[in-house]
Amino acid sequence: QQQVKQSPQSLIVQKGGISIINCAYENTAFDYFPWYQQFPGKGPALLIAIRPDVSEKKEGRFTISFNKSAKQFSLHIMDSQPGDSATYFCAATKYNFNKFYFGSGTKLNVKP
Amino acid sequence: DAGVTQSPTHLIKTRGQQVTLRCSPKSGHDTVSWYQQALGQGPQFIFQYYEEEERQRGNFPDRFSGHQFPNYSSELNVNALLLGDSALYLCASSLGQAEAFFGQGTRLTVV
Repeated sequence: QQQVKQSPQSLIVQKGGISIINCAYENTAFDYFPWYQQFPGKGPALLIAIRPDVSEKKEGRFTISFNKSAKQFSLHIMDSQPGDSATYFCAATKYNFNKFYFGSGTKLNVKP
Repeated sequence: DAGVTQSPTHLIKTRGQQVTLRCSPKSGHDTVSWYQQALGQGPQFIFQYYEEEERQRGNFPDRFSGHQFPNYSSELNVNALLLGDSALYLCASSLGQAEAFFGQGTRLTVV
């Protein structure tokens, strides 16, 4: 059973637009939800993360929205830039275990 | 700070062979986790080492084994390689329950 489901699989956005990636999780014991950005040939890099005690977290152009009752969370990238073109992974874990369950990834292409 | 370093970066092995991958954690980090990332997929948790002991394990066969040394560096060993073991192997380090940092991975190709 896939613990974290991610959509869409791919996304094309115009420069300056908003990119939105969605994830849903199964295990209510999860309490730490990071988003990772991965460029080709590189390992995932932590972008932003949220704990379930808040419904939204913003860092620069990146915002996580979290809906505990629906077991869903999403990444919003405002004013998307060509340099944001990468694969994005959501993940979930119990904070004191650091055993991450990853979504299947979203390949974002920001057109100039 | 060099971050998480993995070696080698690329590796080609033949079916049935054995392979050892290495990871040096970020300075000060004591916990090392290994992940397998198949092409076009998200990383999947293999196992985690803390204080030289395997603390957690994912759904991988016993052909996958590991080790953590007193300096916190770690090795991943895979025996009896299968074509399906071809993947990017990622190491992640953390300090206790803090955020995890990933290395750039080792690309393993089994032919």
